[in-house]
Amino acid sequence: GQSLEQPSEVTAVEGAIVQINCTYQTSGFYGLSWYQQHDGGAPTFLSYNALDGLEETGRFSSFLSRSDSYGYLLLQELQMKDSASYFCAVRDNSWGKLQFGAGTQVVVTP
Amino acid sequence: GAVVSQHPSWVICKSGTSVKIECRSLDFQATTMFWYRQFPKQSLMLMATSNEGSKATYEQGVEKDKFLINHASLTLSTLTVTSAHPEDSSFYICSARAGQGSEKLFFGSGTQLSVL
Repeated sequence: GQSLEQPSEVTAVEGAIVQINCTYQTSGFYGLSWYQQHDGGAPTFLSYNALDGLEETGRFSSFLSRSDSYGYLLLQELQMKDSASYFCAVRDNSWGKLQFGAGTQVVVTP
Repeated sequence: GAVVSQHPSWVICKSGTSVKIECRSLDFQATTMFWYRQFPKQSLMLMATSNEGSKATYEQGVEKDKFLINHASLTLSTLTVTSAHPEDSSFYICSARAGQGSEKLFFGSGTQLSVL
């Protein structure tokens, strides 16, 4: 079977730093992606890690450790607009289909 | 960036009727598209992989006769929910990659289906 585990909800204040962890168990592994989804909207791509290490894209960074089957998304300098659901997703085969985690609801307070 | 257009954005239908949802890649060709289903506050569940010019590949537990997928061109995939029932009410989203080498999925805006 396949599973991706991530926390259900995280609350933080504006300007803070939030780390969303994701652990996975999949039959294959071609990379870990992160997507953001606002209520009622479509998911949008944030980042992708195929190799171990940290990828930085502006205020967002993503980390992967393949030996630990673990990754995280780091949100820095939180803004109100960052309130959304964040999903980790694993590409488990060469066809490119993604399996998504249950999502983490990030709530940013003033 | 690549754009995926999905229509309709919402639909209300009577139980027993069929509903067709269209997904178009507007500025790129998509040999493969993916159809997801999402319940409120839950994850995206992959339903099927739509392949241009061939049969779709369905995930385990998804009824292929219930959810008909057609990918007749490189820019259009359709999902038809046949004989819809209230339990089929959900948010359906399509997605595609802009190129085989890209890891980025572009999503349509989704279709909220409500079956009365």
